[in-house]
This record gives sequence, C-alpha cells and structure tokens, in this order.
Amino acid sequence: DTGVSQNPRHKITKRGQNVTFRCDPISEHNRLYWYRQTLGQGPEFLTYFQNEAQLEKSRLLSDRFSAERPKGSFSTLEIQRTEQGDSAMYLCASSLSHYEQYFGPGTRLTVT
Amino acid sequence: ELKVEQNPLFLSMQEGKNYTIYCNYSTTSDRLYWYRQDPGKSLESLFVLLSNGAVKQEGRLMASLDTKARLSTLHITAAVHDLSATYFCAVVKVYNFGNEKLTFGTGTRLTIIP
Repeated sequence: DTGVSQNPRHKITKRGQNVTFRCDPISEHNRLYWYRQTLGQGPEFLTYFQNEAQLEKSRLLSDRFSAERPKGSFSTLEIQRTEQGDSAMYLCASSLSHYEQYFGPGTRLTVT
Repeated sequence: ELKVEQNPLFLSMQEGKNYTIYCNYSTTSDRLYWYRQDPGKSLESLFVLLSNGAVKQEGRLMASLDTKARLSTLHITAAVHDLSATYFCAVVKVYNFGNEKLTFGTGTRLTIIP
C-alpha cells in the first residue's frame, strides 16, 4: 500500500496524559500537513512541513502540541497534558509541490 | 481571513431526485476541491476545480466553479442510497513558504431515503 498511513488509528487516554501520533506520507512527497477535525465540523489546518522544516503553525496549535518531521520522512504529533477538548480526529496529508494533498485514515483521539 | 460556507448543512432527499450543494468562499483562491467523508472515515477526493467555468462529472455527481462569484456547486442527479455521506468543499490558498493550506467548509450531511 503506497498511500498515507497513520498510527494508531484510535487512542483513548485519560486527561493529563501525553499522546503521540505518527504519520507516514507517500514516499516521494516533500510536503506534509496535519489537520484536526472535531465532530460535525470540517478539518482545520494545524501545521505544515516542507521536507524536515516546520514552516507554518496554526494558532490552534497551543504550546501543548508539538510536531516533528525528522529527515523529512515520517512525522509525529505529540500532545502533552491532554484535555477533553483535544478529542478529535487528527488527519495527516502529504503532497508534492503544487499537487493535490492525499489524506491518511486519521487517528481518532478520545480523552476521558 | 478566508472563510468557506456550505449550504445546506443537512440534506435529506429521496432516491431518484436531484439536488445541489452550494459552496461560497470569501477571497480569491488557487484551487477548489470536493471531498466525500463516510462516518468515522477519512476524506476521499472527488473533484479538483482549477479555473473559472470548470466543470467535472463523475457518475451522478457534477461539480462546477465560478471564480467571479466565488461559488462552487456539487449537483447530484437521480440520487441513490450509496451517495449518503458528508460532502466538503475545500479551498486552496497558497501562503508563505509554499503552504497550500486547505480551508474546509462546514460540510453537508447528505442522507438518501429509499
């Protein structure tokens, strides 16, 4: 399968715990995006990488959130001290420059 | 700030009927996409519209773009049950460093009734 993959697919955690999600983009894609989708809403942009450089972050990305893309390959999104408001679907997408973004299956986070 | 509005938010229609979903956006855009999302699933790309007057069709779905009116439509012809899903439009605008950020509409939840 050469599509975008995300792990885990589901994560249930208790408030205050840290969680980390992984995204593996399509191999030759240099651009990688993270979006967050809450129930009944469209996805919202969180952050953007070009190769290993994180070039844009949304105001939605509080200081409890951090994202990395070491070596310009896979990416991780970490949420520290989770809150119930962090419950959402976290979507990763990758693309080549000026081309369509391909979305992964998402990681559904539930904070209890 | 770019805003994208869709209407209706909810649409319940009978099989065999036709209907149109509307997508308005507030500033000029580089591209517009239509996506389908089934419950609990990720986004499936349906159409990409690049220029004014663009029209794309696939099966019972047809999308069009009017960049002057900042309006896109998704038309459903003779609806069938397996078209039940949530449909999103998303507008691309290129920001700093080549960030081709997608701004999504609120979505239209479509239910086809037998």
